[in-house]
Amino acid sequence: DADVTQTPRNRITKTGKRIMLECSQTKGHDRMYWYRQDPGLGLRLIYYSFDVKDINKGEISDGYSVSRQAQAKFSLSLESAIPNQTALYFCATAGPAVDNEQFFGPGTRLTVL
Amino acid sequence: GESVGLHLPTLSVQEGDNSIINCAYSNSASDYFIWYKQESGKGPQFIIDIRSNMDKRQGQRVTVLLNKTVKHLSLQIAATQPGDSAVYFCAENAGGTSYGKLTFGQGTILTVHP
Repeated sequence: DADVTQTPRNRITKTGKRIMLECSQTKGHDRMYWYRQDPGLGLRLIYYSFDVKDINKGEISDGYSVSRQAQAKFSLSLESAIPNQTALYFCATAGPAVDNEQFFGPGTRLTVL
Repeated sequence: GESVGLHLPTLSVQEGDNSIINCAYSNSASDYFIWYKQESGKGPQFIIDIRSNMDKRQGQRVTVLLNKTVKHLSLQIAATQPGDSAVYFCAENAGGTSYGKLTFGQGTILTVHP
């Protein structure tokens, strides 16, 4: 969905490096999310934000941090990447209602060597 | 380390057949459910949703059924086409302290043979 973009789309890095994944959206949504997807597993929530001043940990936040720079931008950082963090990372946005669907970006494939 | 290579449930059908993908959810407090489709190399795409005060909802070629008694959700795809081949995920929202968060199932691989 072109309304939610992620950069980079692919990244190969080494153990111990700091990595930032960026997400931008043009949907005007307040809610933004970062997920991780591993082979054979569903999506697991890393962090989420309901507005610019709101940041919440998801189920697997250890080793990650986030920054909500603006309503439209939500970045995910790996302070010191480890091979176990090799995965597909997805950003998503949602409107304010409890039954709003989440719109996903195209994903970032991260490989940590 | 993390588990890798878990085998997802798979469903193989012939083009034109109807497909039924099932999902069991665990939280009886969940009040909103979504089905997503994920094609290879892409992010999940919304297919259809249903609130807990309904037991059936229909879209174009798709129907979602919700059985709250046994905590079961199903996605029916009519006249399945090769373009329907993808991984399908169910997701639930539990409300309360889980407001605005979705919990995703493991996924089912659907393969449609021409």
